[in-house]
Amino acid sequence: EAGVVQSPRYKIIEKKQPVAFWCNPISGHNTLYWYLQNLGQGPELLIRYENEEAVDDSQLPKDRFSAERLKGVDSTLKIQPAELGDSAVYLCASSLESGRWGSYNEQFFGPGTRLTVL
Amino acid sequence: AQSVTQLDSQVPVFEEAPVELRCNYSSSVSVYLFWYVQYPNQGLQLLLKYLSGSTLVESINGFEAEFNKSQTSFHLRKPSVHISDTAEYFCAVSDGNQGGKLIFGQGTELSVKP
Repeated sequence: EAGVVQSPRYKIIEKKQPVAFWCNPISGHNTLYWYLQNLGQGPELLIRYENEEAVDDSQLPKDRFSAERLKGVDSTLKIQPAELGDSAVYLCASSLESGRWGSYNEQFFGPGTRLTVL
Repeated sequence: AQSVTQLDSQVPVFEEAPVELRCNYSSSVSVYLFWYVQYPNQGLQLLLKYLSGSTLVESINGFEAEFNKSQTSFHLRKPSVHISDTAEYFCAVSDGNQGGKLIFGQGTELSVKP
């Protein structure tokens, strides 16, 4: 079974340029997460989707970041314009469904996209 | 809000020595606890988890962690490490009321030397 696929793996851009990251979750997984991992830090949730609906985007900087999950499968995370401080690894994860009270579904992570903004 | 503290950013050890990676979380009514491992240039992989029941949980490659509610800790241990255990280890917590949202610690870099 294929895991979570992300592309590109690496991206180098100049500041003020736009950039987009793509994620293909594990087949059948309804829940998709985007995390931001700064150097030397643990991942932090940016946005969570249940099918095509963004149910938690409270940590997404909406002035420059946007995300979409058309048809409830693949997802794209966009930054426009990119800033120097956006240099980080962007991780995508998926699970069967997000955990409800008293239950748990494992999150499976992709390899990430390492963004460098010059 | 939940928070997780990993007390050591780097842990160098010699091969076949025991190791403990420490993790503390902020108190909550009910939590799920996890350890993830990240090998170089790879994604995070779940190492082990505590959901309920026995407070001692084990992984298939010899790691174990013990949930200690009174000390709000979930330390990771291995009695004898291998070179291949060299990686970044992340402790994470989730409470059942946040839709599976994981709160991660800062990570501990385990470096096993021959």
